Amino acid sequence: KQEVTQIPAALSVPEGENLVLNCSFTDSAIYNLQWFRQDPGKGLTSLLLIQSSQREQTSGRLNASLDKSSGRSTLYIAASQPGDSATYLCAEWGAQKLVFGQGTRLTINP
Amino acid sequence: NAGVTQTPKFRILKIGQSMTLQCTQDMNHNYMYWYRQDPGMGLKLIYYSVGAGITDKGEVPNGYNVSRSTTEDFPLRLELAAPSQTSVYFCASKRGSDEKLFFGSGTQLSVL
Repeated sequence: KQEVTQIPAALSVPEGENLVLNCSFTDSAIYNLQWFRQDPGKGLTSLLLIQSSQREQTSGRLNASLDKSSGRSTLYIAASQPGDSATYLCAEWGAQKLVFGQGTRLTINP
Repeated sequence: NAGVTQTPKFRILKIGQSMTLQCTQDMNHNYMYWYRQDPGMGLKLIYYSVGAGITDKGEVPNGYNVSRSTTEDFPLRLELAAPSQTSVYFCASKRGSDEKLFFGSGTQLSVL
């Protein structure tokens, strides 16, 4: 059974810090891994998609890595800003299905 | 483009009532999904479809039904609403198997 775990459940850091969010998954035969952002009361916005043949993807201040052998992905946020405050979810694509972690609620303090 | 559109945004049902949550996308995506999100939890897959006429169950299909008669539309039907179905429901779609998933803005459903 596919399982995705995100630790910690919540994280609070001062503005300007670089930070790493962690995601672990049990299915070594994943197709892709996707990171999302969810603002309170809103839907999910796709941030980065890492295909199984890739090791990382970058978009602006965000960098996501994928290590299939260890079952881990990380989302690196550089120079954090208060606008980055949100819940970040990772999700693993297995066969036709996307399985989500429970998310990390990130707060950036001015 | 409108993307993925869900209606209604909010709904209150009485126990035993039925309703249909509407989802439509204008991106000609083949894959469509229904998820539910309970407070403080991740998303759980209810049903999904890989193309018109094809649907399959996800993790939590009990109490729900779907149909996919067109590429654009993927409605979710609740036949006999129960308090356990109080949740936020998200519809999502993507073009192909290696592409990003796009979400609608959600439907907040309360069953009282």
